[in-house]
Amino acid sequence: GDSVTQMEGPVTLSEEAFLTINCTYTATGYPSLFWYVQYPGEGLQLLLKATKADDKGSNKGFEATYRKETTSFHLEKGSVQVSDSAVYFCALRPQGAQKLVFGQGTRLTINP
Amino acid sequence: DAMVIQNPRYQVTQFGKPVTLSCSQTLNHNVMYWYQQKSSQAPKLLFHYYDKDFNNEADTPDNFQSRRPNTSFCFLDIRSPGLGDAAMYLCATSRGLAGTETQYFGPGTRLLVL
Repeated sequence: GDSVTQMEGPVTLSEEAFLTINCTYTATGYPSLFWYVQYPGEGLQLLLKATKADDKGSNKGFEATYRKETTSFHLEKGSVQVSDSAVYFCALRPQGAQKLVFGQGTRLTINP
Repeated sequence: DAMVIQNPRYQVTQFGKPVTLSCSQTLNHNVMYWYQQKSSQAPKLLFHYYDKDFNNEADTPDNFQSRRPNTSFCFLDIRSPGLGDAAMYLCATSRGLAGTETQYFGPGTRLLVL
């Protein structure tokens, strides 16, 4: 079935460090791919998305590229801030399906 | 601002006592979803409505029901909550059913079962 595998956390970085959170997926057809962020005690917020191969999603300095050949959608940011501390979820929406299939989430902590 | 609103943010209920969680949206979206997120786990879809058409996920327990009286509101009813139903419940909406559509989430209701 469809699934998403994320880099296990927690991840702890210093401010201004480079961030990569790995995400790979298994799906038939052409799923859409998403990154959501969840701040403590809050719901999920869409961070970025890509709907076809080679698309790059970007927002707030975060980027991810839909790589069909490696079935990956890794999240990157060049210089993280303390305010980026949150749980990050990679998700896919299978072609023709309504639900989002989420990865387990990666907790990110940025220290000043 | 257009948004997805969930009330209450925190709900405490007793074992076996029916409880209803509420979601409303000002986005005028056709689709509304309910997800369950247990502690340190990924959200899991329970069901969704496309307009008035209800779609249940195959593994959603019968204890969970939903109502959508109009476009703006959707309710999650838990008929007899068990301790294992303690979780964050997330409501989401999307404009349509296409796979490229973004789902917009509310802040969630955290349910505690005593």
